[in-house]
Amino acid sequence: GAVVSQHPSRVICKSGTSVKIECRSLDFQATTMFWYRQFPKQSLMLMATSNEGSKATYEQGVEKDKFLINHASLTLSTLTVTSAHPEDSSFYICSARDIRELTDTQYFGPGTRLTVL
Amino acid sequence: RKEVEQDPGPFNVPEGATVAFNCTYSNSASQSFFWYRQDCRKEPKLLMSVYSSGNEDGRFTAQLNRASQYISLLIRDSKLSDSATYLCVVKTNTGNQFYFGTGTSLTVIP
Repeated sequence: GAVVSQHPSRVICKSGTSVKIECRSLDFQATTMFWYRQFPKQSLMLMATSNEGSKATYEQGVEKDKFLINHASLTLSTLTVTSAHPEDSSFYICSARDIRELTDTQYFGPGTRLTVL
Repeated sequence: RKEVEQDPGPFNVPEGATVAFNCTYSNSASQSFFWYRQDCRKEPKLLMSVYSSGNEDGRFTAQLNRASQYISLLIRDSKLSDSATYLCVVKTNTGNQFYFGTGTSLTVIP
């Protein structure tokens, strides 16, 4: 149980294009999902908290107009990197919390490796 | 000061060895604690939650010391498959912010 999928797993795009990443909880419902970014040899940094049916909460320094988050259902959150630039190249990982669990355990997706040329 | 600090290592140990990692956190209001492992270029996977009374899962033992604000992970009888980066994760009792350490790299050598 507690499987989270991400799509695509890898994407290479040209500078200026927009990239959409999907995060799905496959066997549980999640009112809250999280989006992280990880640069090489660094730890995960929380970008935003995605709340089902309401606006996402962005961490300080993360541009909400550049990283658009939509959490339209209890099993799907999407992150769109708009007008991507090479500095946006990173490993993007989502996580989700099972609404049935009382603990704070997060289940992570397999990540999406974005390379912007 | 970072919210969570870990010794990045690397720790290189022979098979069968016992190895321990420590992690310190700065916010005394921290409520939940976890150890995750992350293999190279993969997502983190939950290894174990850390409870106040300490907990054990097979060869892995986690301890929490609230007074000194640190968490430890002990791995006994190391296996080659234990080679990974171990992430210490801390959550405060307000908001949804989870703080990740930079990870401790472990390589178990045959």
